[in-house]
Amino acid sequence: EADIYQTPRYLVIGTGKKITLECSQTMGHDKMYWYQQDPGMELHLIHYSYGVNSTEKGDLSSESTVSRIRTEHFPLTLESARPSHTSQYLCASSGEVYEQYFGPGTRLTVT
Amino acid sequence: GESVGLHLPTLSVQEGDNSIINCAYSNSASDYFIWYKQESGKGPQFIIDIRSNMDKRQGQRVTVLLNKTVKHLSLQIAATQPGDSAVYFCAERLNDYKLSFGAGTTVTVRA
Repeated sequence: EADIYQTPRYLVIGTGKKITLECSQTMGHDKMYWYQQDPGMELHLIHYSYGVNSTEKGDLSSESTVSRIRTEHFPLTLESARPSHTSQYLCASSGEVYEQYFGPGTRLTVT
Repeated sequence: GESVGLHLPTLSVQEGDNSIINCAYSNSASDYFIWYKQESGKGPQFIIDIRSNMDKRQGQRVTVLLNKTVKHLSLQIAATQPGDSAVYFCAERLNDYKLSFGAGTTVTVRA
């Protein structure tokens, strides 16, 4: 069982609010990822990190930002939430092998 | 861009029967593939992987077949159980840090 955690699991918030989605892993993995996923649909990479102080944008353009100050922590922030941000956000990490371990996800609804 | 896709968005299977989930990929240089299972409300969970130097790999009740000639990947589940109901994704390794995910096949097991 992979040790990767996301909080909150569910979030309903009004338009214009600032939110931070938390992701932590206890496996010591260098690489971490954020994906956006609509229900039952494919995963779209929005951010990734090679290690501390390294962040890159993914394939899907996103208004969110990320930081990687500690190996185990990779939070995602939306400065001003909009209804178009409503989606599920999945965090993942990987070590020496290519397999990515996923957290349970945060389901975000912006009203 | 190059991507991995699944042939069928849904699959309904009788409990106890075998399931076959298909995936086509377009990058002939891909050397590593993963199958993930995603249950409702959870993050994707690793099922099995295969490298391009193999044609077949077996796990517990699951078998992955790789046909590099036609760029096709399949996941076979033996004696399908109700707990196998989920969305299944194939993923293709693009480079050292990126996986490309297909759209997913929703498997429903009929009692």
